[in-house]
Amino acid sequence: TQLLEQSPQFLSIQEGENLTVYCNSSSVFSSLQWYRQEPGEGPVLLVTVVTGGEVKKLKRLTFQFGDARKDSSLHITAAQPGDTGLYLCAPREMNTGFQKLVFGTGTRLLVSP
Amino acid sequence: KAGVTQTPRYLIKTRGQQVTLSCSPISGHRSVSWYQQTPGQGLQFLFEYFSETQRNKGNFPGRFSGRQFSNSRSEMNVSTLELGDSALYLCASSLGPRDRSSYEQYFGPGTRLTVT
Repeated sequence: TQLLEQSPQFLSIQEGENLTVYCNSSSVFSSLQWYRQEPGEGPVLLVTVVTGGEVKKLKRLTFQFGDARKDSSLHITAAQPGDTGLYLCAPREMNTGFQKLVFGTGTRLLVSP
Repeated sequence: KAGVTQTPRYLIKTRGQQVTLSCSPISGHRSVSWYQQTPGQGLQFLFEYFSETQRNKGNFPGRFSGRQFSNSRSEMNVSTLELGDSALYLCASSLGPRDRSSYEQYFGPGTRLTVT
């Protein structure tokens, strides 16, 4: 069973600031997904990264997959109140055909106007 | 294309009762996974169904069970409810084991279960 750690656990910032959240593990992943969840709703898929070193951009969000595929980061530029939510990383283990996702504990982000 | 739907959205039950939750996946998706989310434990995997067969199961007691129908709709059942079963139960659908993109899971809004 992989150990999955997300940091920081909580982040409270002002609108316009930049931030980075991290997802780290001792295991190598075949792929990794990032989700954002708002209170009382299900997680919404933001991106899937597959290749080591891969960088994907989604408007002001930049996702990076580590070269060794053991870690990932999410950088938000000029955060807005609409970015508020719980950010979850969910790697998929190597060599498995199963759909099971192991979720990190998440980073709870609050962006104040 | 309609998203994943879950019914009911909210449910209140008492200890000892049983409950059945329903999930309709995105059209064309054949894999359905269930997760339990609590403030203390986060999102934890319950089980996954594909083509009416349970392919994977998390570390939950036998009181938690599920099934999938031929139209890919799925239900999960919790018997002999305990206070600790209070949680948000999430269903996620995906295409199924074909290629890398088919592993992307799309979640429903969840069913909030409160056990009193």
